[in-house]
Amino acid sequence: DAGVIQSPRHEVTEMGQEVTLRCKPISGHDYLFWYRQTMMRGLELLIYFNNNVPIDDSGMPEDRFSAKMPNASFSTLKIQPSEPRDSAVYFCASSSFDRERPYEQYFGPGTRLTVT
Amino acid sequence: ELKVEQNPLFLSMQEGKNYTIYCNYSTTSDRLYWYRQDPGKSLESLFVLLSNGAVKQEGRLMASLDTKARLSTLHITAAVHDLSATYFCAVDLNRDDKIIFGKGTRLHILP
Repeated sequence: DAGVIQSPRHEVTEMGQEVTLRCKPISGHDYLFWYRQTMMRGLELLIYFNNNVPIDDSGMPEDRFSAKMPNASFSTLKIQPSEPRDSAVYFCASSSFDRERPYEQYFGPGTRLTVT
Repeated sequence: ELKVEQNPLFLSMQEGKNYTIYCNYSTTSDRLYWYRQDPGKSLESLFVLLSNGAVKQEGRLMASLDTKARLSTLHITAAVHDLSATYFCAVDLNRDDKIIFGKGTRLHILP
């Protein structure tokens, strides 16, 4: 398996623009997580899905952020409108039950977002 | 609310020395993870600890879990420069498959 795939790897946009980040989880994984990492705030869980259904979105900072998972192999995180304080690295991770390493999360390479 | 605290948050050490990173958590849990992150890279899973007394080792790294003390340790033996990275512990929250990460320990090993 290719692992968790994220695109784009880098995104530079102007304040006010819409940004869409994409994630393809590992095939067979039924959990998908979106995280944001900054120097100031560390690693924050934004939202996670189980079997394509959002379970907990309490980490989504505000209504400008939305996430969808239309099927088991694709998820998006959208920011509209974007603001400079949204600049961060956004990670997608996926997991499933495994007897030896239950719910171990596998992280994608991340999308580095810069909002100017 | 589950809280995960790591210490130290930053550690600079000489090659060849031994050291331990500590991870304390605030509520009952019997599933703990250690991850490594190299600068500018993603997180990579190192260990999954599932029960009280669990010990896992790989190379110069050894992780252990004491669920009664709500404490996990990551021990580094005879450190080498390649182990320089940020190490995160993460704890399962009431088995709902969401894990809470500590702030990470930034380890810098001097040649």
